[in-house]
Amino acid sequence: IQMTQSPSSLSASVGDRVTITCRTSQTISNYLNWYQQKPGKAPKLLIYAASSLQSGVPSRFSGDGSGTVFTLTVSSLQPEDFATYYCQHSDSTPSVTFGPGTKVDIK
Amino acid sequence: QVQLVESGGGLVKPGGSLRLSCATSGFIFSNYYMSWIRQAPGKGLEWVSYISTSANIIYHADSVKGRFTISRDNARNSLYLQMNSLRVEDTAVYYCARHLQYGSGSFRFDSWGQGTLVIVSS
Repeated sequence: IQMTQSPSSLSASVGDRVTITCRTSQTISNYLNWYQQKPGKAPKLLIYAASSLQSGVPSRFSGDGSGTVFTLTVSSLQPEDFATYYCQHSDSTPSVTFGPGTKVDIK
Repeated sequence: QVQLVESGGGLVKPGGSLRLSCATSGFIFSNYYMSWIRQAPGKGLEWVSYISTSANIIYHADSVKGRFTISRDNARNSLYLQMNSLRVEDTAVYYCARHLQYGSGSFRFDSWGQGTLVIVSS
C-alpha cells in the first residue's frame, strides 16, 4: 500500500485551523493512525482508527476519513504544534507503512 | 509509567554487525507485540521489524530481510535487533515501539523509546 500526504509542508500562524490529508493506494477501512514528531524526539501517537483521539492528546486534534482519504485537523494551532506529522497504516498481511510526512512551521 | 530505552547504537563499518537492545518497564512486556522503526537523517519513518508476544510471529521489511533479526526476552522485559551485513543506507535512528491492536489485525504504536543512532560508514 502506497501512502501520500499533502501538503508536504505548510506555514501557519498560531490560532490557524490546519488540515493535512493522507491518501492510500488501496482502501484500508479506518486503519489509519496519525503521529506528531518534533525535532530530535520520538514520534507521538495522536489519532488511531482514523478518528479516535489517543489518551492525553488535546481535543484540538481530530481525524476523519475512511477508505482511501483521511484528514488530520488542528482546530487552533498552538506554538507546541509546530512539528512534522505522519500518517501510518498497518494490517495483518503484514503491511506497515508510514506516509512521507507533513512539516508544519511558523509563518 | 511506560518506558522504553534503546541502547547499542554506534559507528560501524559497512559489512559489520551491531545488536540493539530495548529495555522496557512500566507495563507487562510479555503481553505486547513490539516493533523496530527507523529514521534516516532528515528522512521519514520506516518500519523495520515486528515480533509477537511469544515470538512465534516475526516479520521484517524487505529492505532488511535476511540481514536483521528481531528477538525478545520476556523474562528480561527486553527487545533486540541483531543487525548483520550493515550497509551505508542502514544509517538511522532506531526506535523500539509498543503495539496496541485494534480492528482486524491493525495496530498503532502507542509508546516509543527515545531512539539510538546507528551510523554505518567506512
